[in-house]
Amino acid sequence: EAQVTQNPRYLITVTGKKLTVTCSQNMNHEYMSWYRQDPGLGLRQIYYSMNVEVTDKGDVPEGYKVSRKEKRNFPLILESPSPNQTSLYFCASSLGGRSAETQYFGPGTRLLVL
Amino acid sequence: DAKTTQPTSMDCAEGRAANLPCNHSTISGNEYVYWYRQIHSQGPQYIIHGLKNNETNEMASLIITEDRKSSTLILPHATLRDTAVYYCIVRRSGGSNYKLTFGKGTLLTVNP
Repeated sequence: EAQVTQNPRYLITVTGKKLTVTCSQNMNHEYMSWYRQDPGLGLRQIYYSMNVEVTDKGDVPEGYKVSRKEKRNFPLILESPSPNQTSLYFCASSLGGRSAETQYFGPGTRLLVL
Repeated sequence: DAKTTQPTSMDCAEGRAANLPCNHSTISGNEYVYWYRQIHSQGPQYIIHGLKNNETNEMASLIITEDRKSSTLILPHATLRDTAVYYCIVRRSGGSNYKLTFGKGTLLTVNP
């Protein structure tokens, strides 16, 4: 089944404790992206990747890092989480090019930073 | 990318057609209209997209007016599982970042 998976789905952590949220897709998609969703602010893009080893900042990249060492995986790293990073996070992927509009989203990761 | 305007909320009876409007009066010639939906806190789901012509797939139909300044998403036989926030997004195809800009969307509630 074609899908985007995220782990963990729920995470409670404390300020300053490094964490990684994994994202994996099994559709051989070139494009991957991370969004965060907050009440009243909608979905905002954090980082994106057009292909392996090609990443760039989205609208709200501060406090986050990403890497794209292989096509299927696009982990989101919070080196020193803070309470303002408490949010619902979504990973998305698409084939790119003319098929970029059909983006597949993961189930979400709900993060609480205390 | 052009701005879109959607009603905040709509109701629909189960089994009836749900017609969700979207206004995008500043759309450019190379911008597409996309529809996604988000069922409570789940990941957004692609529904359909189009440029000028009306489009239909297994989920829905998209009707775009001739001047392309507005469109309507039609769910022909709404079910309770169609209750979700529906987002109308306008953007050009391709580019260096396929970012989707989600507005507030329309909360569609399908009632039994």
